Amino acid sequence: SYVLTQPPSLSVAPGQTARITCGGNDIGTKSVHWYQQKPGQAPVLVVYYDKDRPSEIPERFSGSNSGNTATLTISRVEAGDEADYYCQVWDLSTDHYAIFGGGTKLTVL
Amino acid sequence: QVQLQESGPGLVKPSETLSLTCAVSDYSISSGYHWAWIRQPPGKGLEWIASVFKNGNTYYNPSLKSRVSISVDTSKNQFSLKLTSVTATDTAMYFCARVLGSSAWFDYWGPGTLVTVSS
Repeated sequence: SYVLTQPPSLSVAPGQTARITCGGNDIGTKSVHWYQQKPGQAPVLVVYYDKDRPSEIPERFSGSNSGNTATLTISRVEAGDEADYYCQVWDLSTDHYAIFGGGTKLTVL
Repeated sequence: QVQLQESGPGLVKPSETLSLTCAVSDYSISSGYHWAWIRQPPGKGLEWIASVFKNGNTYYNPSLKSRVSISVDTSKNQFSLKLTSVTATDTAMYFCARVLGSSAWFDYWGPGTLVTVSS
């Protein structure tokens, strides 16, 4: 089965740029979606189709996807960005099913 | 804006069936879109359980496929999840969500409901 690999944690100072990676075999051929989850809350979609943003998500959030790595980039990181971030794909290779990465805990120093 | 709300028993005994419902507001479920259930064990990551597409096709997590079913009730504007033969490993926060696009992302989520499997 298809596996998405994320680093468990990432620490960034306020104002800096956070880059959260999501690795998978030929992930560049798939569409990757990203979610932010704060403690005690449901996940929120922040990027879909690799790089598109829902209208309510700040432009500071952007995505890219190529080769074996997809990346969620958060520019000018704020304290409110501290959360868990998950990547997700819909795999069609053998069967139709959704796969999540293991999640990355972003800490704002 | 679409609103989703999960409901169901918070405690289920081992070997019994977990049944949850997701009520959809401000949108007619029969108008289209796809729907899904996702869960999150305490302190762990997200796990997709099942989806039902607007054409009626259903898709299940291979690891749960033998125990799970998803269905839609358009008359009540809700969809449901059944998970049979539960064990303690099924203890989790269960979320329902709307699914968009051919590559199936989850744009609206319910707040979640905690289900504990214990005798």
